Amino acid sequence: GENVEQHPSTLSVQEGDSAVIKCTYSDSASNYFPWYKQELGKRPQLIIDIRSNVGEKKDQRIAVTLNKTAKHFSLHITETQPEDSAVYFCAARGPMYSGGGADGLTFGKGTHLIIQP
Amino acid sequence: NAGVTQTPKFQVLKTGQSMTLQCAQDMNHEYMSWYRQDPGMGLRLIHYSVGAGITDQGEVPNGYNVSRSTTEDFPLRLLSAAPSQTSVYFCASSYSRTANTEAFFGQGTRLTVV
Repeated sequence: GENVEQHPSTLSVQEGDSAVIKCTYSDSASNYFPWYKQELGKRPQLIIDIRSNVGEKKDQRIAVTLNKTAKHFSLHITETQPEDSAVYFCAARGPMYSGGGADGLTFGKGTHLIIQP
Repeated sequence: NAGVTQTPKFQVLKTGQSMTLQCAQDMNHEYMSWYRQDPGMGLRLIHYSVGAGITDQGEVPNGYNVSRSTTEDFPLRLLSAAPSQTSVYFCASSYSRTANTEAFFGQGTRLTVV
């Protein structure tokens, strides 16, 4: 089945700097790559996603890039702010045989992003 | 619009007790999943369902049962609680398996087994 690796597990950056979180996936048939943000004590919530036919997508200070050939995708956060501190999960959605939850999503283990004042 | 609702939010159990974590969604989603979240382990899939009457095991199913008698509800049963089941449990639902379909999470249940 699909396997998603996420790095780093912890990332500490100065407020105002950029943060990059990277994920790799194993199934070349995966076609959807969302990113979820989980604030302390809260539920994971979708912040941005990308389909396999798109190389990059931006939404204000966050962007996601996808390299299908290398099977990796990354989350970029610019001008980081204290409210960006959270755990971020990447995920990949593959075909029926690739496992994952009911909707086919396989999650990475998460990155704890810490914004230093 | 309630989305995905989990109850209870917090629970303390004694070893050997049983209980049911409730999950309900009002979005008419066919696809529902249960995850447990432990420090450094990410979201691990316990059981999932692709529609009423259909359930299947995920990565860590032992010690848990599920059923799906209606589209709205997907309860998770702990048969005989063990300290290793101390965790935060999340239920999630989606409309389909196609690309661009968002997974919605409940607010979580923090379970402690003593």
